[in-house]
Amino acid sequence: DTGVSQDPRHKITKRGQNVTFRCDPISEHNRLYWYRQTLGQGPEFLTYFQNEAQLEKSRLLSDRFSAERPKGSFSTLEIQRTEQGDSAMYLCAPSLDSGGWGTGELFFGEGSRLTVL
Amino acid sequence: SQKIEQNSEALNIQEGKTATLTCNYTNYSPAYLQWYRQDPGRGPVFLLLIRENEKEKRKERLKVTFDTTLKQSLFHITASQPADSATYLCALFHTGRRALTFGSGTRLQVQP
Repeated sequence: DTGVSQDPRHKITKRGQNVTFRCDPISEHNRLYWYRQTLGQGPEFLTYFQNEAQLEKSRLLSDRFSAERPKGSFSTLEIQRTEQGDSAMYLCAPSLDSGGWGTGELFFGEGSRLTVL
Repeated sequence: SQKIEQNSEALNIQEGKTATLTCNYTNYSPAYLQWYRQDPGRGPVFLLLIRENEKEKRKERLKVTFDTTLKQSLFHITASQPADSATYLCALFHTGRRALTFGSGTRLQVQP
């Protein structure tokens, strides 16, 4: 158990609806990453935050996706006008890179599984 | 193009044997490489990190090697147990992006 909670664990929605996922990390994790994973594939990077600042976004993150991390604590990932191709597991992964970039392990949450009908 | 390749076919071995999983990469110059374990329906769990200037790292029954000339990492589980059955993911950190890039993983099945 990494202590990272994600909510909801499962979400089934109709195409065109908006969905929001929340991630609550352990407070001392200064960096927070969002990944997306589809069946049989490894996690794909979406975006990351250094405290409250969003520093990088993948080209996978279209304009329909927005992420926030107010006050550098919890984070939300919103998908607007969902499409069937958005169906995936959305993983939050805080990290504490005390030794510099890439040296810290990612503490993945259990993920939020999205099914778009 | 950049690629991280892990054997997509499942690896089936007998309990007590050593499992060896391969991670090959092209067009990357990773500074660090990490290995994760993922069980069905769960998030990945960190196992080991190895730096580009390290050739080998061990942790209990786990051993990771990193050959930057061959552009390959090997992940070994000695005295494997059925509880080791899972998907194992390798992930690279390279200076071009401040985030780990993952391979697609290899599923390991340890038969009792």
